[in-house]
Amino acid sequence: DAGVIQSPRHEVTEMGQEVTLRCKLISGHNSLFWYRQTMMRGLELLIYFNNNVPIDDSGMPEDRFSAKMPNASFSTLKIQPSEPRDSAVYFCASSLGTATYEQYFGPGTRLTVT
Amino acid sequence: AQSVTQLGSHVSVSEGALVLLRCNYSSSVPPYLFWYVQYPNQGLQLLLKYTSAATLVKGINGFEAEFKKSETSFHLTKPSAHMSDAAEYFCAVSGAGTYKYIFGTGTRLKVLA
Repeated sequence: DAGVIQSPRHEVTEMGQEVTLRCKLISGHNSLFWYRQTMMRGLELLIYFNNNVPIDDSGMPEDRFSAKMPNASFSTLKIQPSEPRDSAVYFCASSLGTATYEQYFGPGTRLTVT
Repeated sequence: AQSVTQLGSHVSVSEGALVLLRCNYSSSVPPYLFWYVQYPNQGLQLLLKYTSAATLVKGINGFEAEFKKSETSFHLTKPSAHMSDAAEYFCAVSGAGTYKYIFGTGTRLKVLA
């Protein structure tokens, strides 16, 4: 298996623009996590899906952020409009389940908003 | 509620020396504990995990960790550091009946030649 795939790997955009980050889960995994990593705040869980259903979005910073799972193997994280403080590395991770199961992380998308 | 504390945001060791990275946790349910490693410009990858079986857990690349309930600790060790071990290491806790990992703030390991 190719592992978790994220695209793009790097994104540079101007403030106010819409940004869409993409994630392809490992085949057979049913749990999907979106994280954001910054120097100041470390690794933060943004949202968790189980079987395509959002279970916990309490980590989503504000209404500018939205995430979807249109099917069992694919997810998007959208920021509209983007702001400089959204600059971070965004990771998605998938797993076979919860709690005891290892999370497999993608390589991340480095977002820079100018 | 669960939390993780990693003592020391930066640790330096000489090549060949013992590596000790500290992790303390708190959990209101029986914990599951993980160590992940992150190399530059990469995602996190699992080193090892404890899920209530043996308290001494062996992982990849010669790392191991011991679950000590009395001390609420899960420290990561490696007998002899290698230059390729230079990376950031994250401890994480989850628990029965939960789905979230709570990650620590990370420890950046530097290996000196």
